[in-house]
Amino acid sequence: DIQMTQSPSSLSASVGDRVTITCRASQSISSYLNWYQQKPGKAPKLLIYTASSLQSGVPSRFSGSGSGTDFTLTINSLQPEDFATYYCQQSYSTPRTFGQGTKVEIK
Amino acid sequence: QVQLVQSGAEVKKPGASVKVSCKASGYTFTSYGISWVRQAPGQGLEWMGWISAYNGNTNYAQKLQGRVTMTTDTSTSTAYMELRSLRSDDTAVYYCARYNFGPGWFDPWGQGTLVTVSS
Repeated sequence: DIQMTQSPSSLSASVGDRVTITCRASQSISSYLNWYQQKPGKAPKLLIYTASSLQSGVPSRFSGSGSGTDFTLTINSLQPEDFATYYCQQSYSTPRTFGQGTKVEIK
Repeated sequence: QVQLVQSGAEVKKPGASVKVSCKASGYTFTSYGISWVRQAPGQGLEWMGWISAYNGNTNYAQKLQGRVTMTTDTSTSTAYMELRSLRSDDTAVYYCARYNFGPGWFDPWGQGTLVTVSS
C-alpha cells in the first residue's frame, strides 16, 4: 500500500496568512494526488485534483503543486472559512489512501 | 446540482449487519462509480472500496474483504454498502462519494451516515 504522510499535523495561522501543507507519498504516484477540505461535522470537499487542477467553484487562493512523491497545497491569504482539516489522497493505485490530515487553526 | 443523499444513522449490536444507502441525483448515474469512505470518531479517512455503476464491478479494501458488499440499483440511481459481522471498531461515519475512475477523485460526497456498534 502507498503511505501518504502530511506535514505538519496541525498549524496555527492568522487571517491573511499564506499557508503551505505538504504531502509525501511512499513511492512515486506521478500526479495522481487530490486534496480535500473537511470542516467539523461535514463531509470532505474536493479542492484540487491531479495535483494542480482547481475543482470548479473552489476559490483561486487554493493551489496545488508537485509530482512524483512530493506535493504541496497552498492557501494564499487565508480566510475565516478556510479553518478546517485538509487531506491529501493518492489515486495512483489501490487501495486508495489518504494522508492523516492537517488541521488549520486560528492563531 | 449533483447530490448524494444517504440513509439515516444506525445503531447495531456486535455481530450484526448494516446496509447504508446513497441516492444520487443531478448526473448520469452509470457514467461514474460510487466509492465508500469511513471515518472513525476523531480519526482520518479510510477508503473502503468502489463500485462501477456502469457494470457493477467492485474493488474492496483488503481488510474488509469478505465482510463488505457494494451494490447499485440503476433504476433508482441508488448505491448500497452492506457491512457484516460488525465490531466495535466499525463505529464510524460512513460516506459515499461519486467516483471518477480516470483521475480518481471523490466528488461530491454524501452527508455521511453514523453507524454505532455497541452492545
